[in-house]
Amino acid sequence: SAVISQKPSRDICQRGTSLTIQCQVDSQVTMMFWYRQQPGQSLTLIATANQGSEATYESGFVIDKFPISRPNLTFSTLTVSNMSPEDSSIYLCSADRGGTGELFFGEGSRLTVL
Amino acid sequence: AQTVTQSQPEMSVQEAETVTLSCTYDTSESNYYLFWYKQPPSRQMILVIRQEAYKQQNATENRFSVNFQKAAKSFSLKISDSQLGDTAMYFCAFITGNQFYFGTGTSLTVIP
Repeated sequence: SAVISQKPSRDICQRGTSLTIQCQVDSQVTMMFWYRQQPGQSLTLIATANQGSEATYESGFVIDKFPISRPNLTFSTLTVSNMSPEDSSIYLCSADRGGTGELFFGEGSRLTVL
Repeated sequence: AQTVTQSQPEMSVQEAETVTLSCTYDTSESNYYLFWYKQPPSRQMILVIRQEAYKQQNATENRFSVNFQKAAKSFSLKISDSQLGDTAMYFCAFITGNQFYFGTGTSLTVIP
C-alpha cells in the first residue's frame, strides 16, 4: 500500500486569503486526485492532478479557484484561492497506483475559513 | 449516469454481533471494481474490501465479507463479530475507467 502525507493537517484562515495543501506519496503513482469532504458528507472530486500537464477539473470546480500542481509522480499541491467561509471543508489527497483499482488516501486537511 | 446509493445513513450494532451495510449502484459499464472504504473518526480513509465485477465469488477479508449481486447491482458489506474499532463511516464506491464514484456513507456505531 502507498503512504500519503498531507500538510497542513488543519488550518484556520481569513477570508480572502489563499492556502496551499501539499501531498506527498512514498512511491510513484500514476494518478493523484483531490477531493473535498464536507463534515459528515461523502467525497466530491475536485480534480485529477496530471503529471506534466494541467489538472482535469470536475464540473463546478475551476483552475482559478483551485490551482493544482503536480511536478512529479510523487507530489502534488492544491491551492484554495480567495477563500470564503463556504470553502471550509476537509480536503483529501488520494492516489491510485494503477492496476489495482484501489485508492489510497491522505489524512486530509481540515480548513476553517473565518 | 453512474451512481452509488447507501440508504442507511446511520446504523448501530452491539459488540460481537453481525451487521450488514447495504449499497446499490448503477452503471452501464461491464468492467469495474467495487469497494468498501472505512473512515474512522481520525479521518483517514482505508480500504476494507474490494470486489472485481467479473468475479462471481464474494470477497472476504477476515471479519468482513460482501454479498455481490451483479444483476441486481447490489454490493452489501457484512461485518461479523463487530468490534469497537469498527465504529466509523463506511463508504461504498466503484471505479470504472479512471473515475471513482462514492456513496454518501453509512455511519456505524458499535455499542459496547
